[in-house]
Amino acid sequence: NAGVTQTPKFRVLKTGQSMTLLCAQDMNHEYMYWYRQDPGMGLRLIHYSVGEGTTAKGEVPDGYNVSRLKKQNFLLGLESAAPSQTSVYFCASSYQAGSYGYTFGSGTRLTVV
Amino acid sequence: AQSVAQPEDQVNVAEGNPLTVKCTYSVSGNPYLFWYVQYPNRGLQFLLKYITGDNLVKGSYGFEAEFNKSQTSFHLKKPSALVSDSALYFCAVRVLNDYKLSFGAGTTVTVRA
Repeated sequence: NAGVTQTPKFRVLKTGQSMTLLCAQDMNHEYMYWYRQDPGMGLRLIHYSVGEGTTAKGEVPDGYNVSRLKKQNFLLGLESAAPSQTSVYFCASSYQAGSYGYTFGSGTRLTVV
Repeated sequence: AQSVAQPEDQVNVAEGNPLTVKCTYSVSGNPYLFWYVQYPNRGLQFLLKYITGDNLVKGSYGFEAEFNKSQTSFHLKKPSALVSDSALYFCAVRVLNDYKLSFGAGTTVTVRA
């Protein structure tokens, strides 16, 4: 039972480079989310999706894009990485709204130099 | 808009002593409340949730939480803390039909031997 899988686990980028973070879930969850976690700032929602083919902006969407072409996958893209995007990124999924909580991935630690 | 407050950035207790991590919330409507724990370099793990019914909820690893509607609180408790309980704890709230959880800023718990 894999749950939510994030790849890669670690990455170092140079300023201006691009990359894609992959999140895959095998629980048939409708909702998927990308968060970033920074010291002293808790979890901040970047983008989310409420179903295949849909995406929406969260609290801190600038500099990121997402896609959800398949229900089980949610991709987070950085087109031109900046040092301010150095963070730990977490993907999460949820069956539905309401009383359903999240299942989190193990995170991607990204450093932009 | 819903929100969660964790008034203590850090909680320090001795092993074997009771542990309490505080959480208060603000929502319109009936809340669904959650506690998550994050161990170093790991993703967030679900501990317990309150949906309805008994105000005392029991969860993983001997943790419990008490829902208090009049005080809009959902404090996490453990009768006898272990060194292995040292981690970052997040409280979260959601309401019916809401697409996302709202997280508190987190409380770092340190249990000394």
